Amino acid sequence: AQTVTQSQPEMSVQEAETVTLSCTYDTSESDYYLFWYKQPPSRQMILVIRQEAYKQQNATENRFSVNFQKAAKSFSLKISDSQLGDAAMYFCAYRRFGGATNKLIFGTGTLLAVQP
Amino acid sequence: GAVVSQHPSWVICKSGTSVKIECRSLDFQATTMFWYRQFPKQSLMLMATSNEGSKATYEQGVEKDKFLINHASLTLSTLTVTSAHPEDSSFYICSASLIYEQYFGPGTRLTVT
Repeated sequence: AQTVTQSQPEMSVQEAETVTLSCTYDTSESDYYLFWYKQPPSRQMILVIRQEAYKQQNATENRFSVNFQKAAKSFSLKISDSQLGDAAMYFCAYRRFGGATNKLIFGTGTLLAVQP
Repeated sequence: GAVVSQHPSWVICKSGTSVKIECRSLDFQATTMFWYRQFPKQSLMLMATSNEGSKATYEQGVEKDKFLINHASLTLSTLTVTSAHPEDSSFYICSASLIYEQYFGPGTRLTVT
């Protein structure tokens, strides 16, 4: 069975600085998707970034980028120029490649605080 | 695009009563929707996978007779908590599947008194 591990329950970063959130996963499959979701205090889940396992290039979305190491089964999220609005719970998630019925497997989350 | 709504956003009910939560995909059709439960400062726990026109698939440990799921159309899935008790109080989130992504509703806070 696939598992997702986030080893940092809480992190803190100064405004305008850079922070990296860690995520490791375990799977025997070669094709899959990885995601980072943000859950602010409103509790609305927001997709931050998506990575397809077959793509070697790391995904980026503005200030957010990932370091995808397939062999090491590592998928870290880097937030550059941190802003107060980045304060939230961040979840790493795995999904098998294929149909819409495939479920997401979430990590336990990392609570990010941004200090002004 | 890809907006998912949930109704109600907050509900209070008395112990022993049933409450229904609706999940709608507003601008796309979703053959598959998912229902999650989330306790404060914890991750999302998948309760069941809802497939249009067929029975839901429940995760291990989830009581299917207590948490009734109906996916009657390609844009609507409902979760009914039957004979609710205080321990059912939680935050319930649905998501709708589109290609390789899931789009999440805003959640429903259930309080059972």
